[in-house]
Amino acid sequence: DTEVTQTPKHLVMGMTNKKSLKCEQHMGHRAMYWYKQKAKKPPELMFVYSYEKLSINESVPSRFSPECPNSSLLNLHLHALQPEDSALYLCASSQLTGVGGYTFGSGTRLTVV
Amino acid sequence: AQRVTQPEKLLSVFKGAPVELKCNYSYSGSPELFWYVQYSRQRLQLLLRHISRESIKGFTADLNKGETSFHLKKPFAQEEDSAMYYCAPPYAGNNRKLIWGLGTSLAVNP
Repeated sequence: DTEVTQTPKHLVMGMTNKKSLKCEQHMGHRAMYWYKQKAKKPPELMFVYSYEKLSINESVPSRFSPECPNSSLLNLHLHALQPEDSALYLCASSQLTGVGGYTFGSGTRLTVV
Repeated sequence: AQRVTQPEKLLSVFKGAPVELKCNYSYSGSPELFWYVQYSRQRLQLLLRHISRESIKGFTADLNKGETSFHLKKPFAQEEDSAMYYCAPPYAGNNRKLIWGLGTSLAVNP
């Protein structure tokens, strides 16, 4: 299995909702990442997990809460989002942080209404 | 922040013409750099990494430390090469903020 799988593919949520994005990889990668990508822009790093521990939070608002239950799974919990948070949320993994390139998931297209 | 820059937002060439997508980096040390490609409606995928010195889909990229560049080249562009290309550093795990290039949209015309 050489893929990163993200669910759901699309999500529409209200500003008072709570939802979660899920990401799974079975490549044995020990680094996992959440990125946010706006249209026609490069991905922006949000969180990095290394060996299931959060190693960086790139000044992301607390309404985004990551979780890494095990080495294969990565979640992003969403609560009280704003319309400007609408974007494509990408999960990626790599062998280790700084080693090898990323394998990206296809993303979750999030719309906040 | 340590960043890479891609000076061209859009590059348009004809099929069969050579293509070069420019990337320059501004950080010190021994950089590791990647090219990623995003075809329309497809996921972002790794195209090349400078360490491997391989050729993928006819593309090559050489790290030039003197010019701090990592340009992506292909001698004969194909229509299927039309996509968005990003030059990117890895996350190095040491709290350095590493910023991707803004991307170059390559259009190969028939």
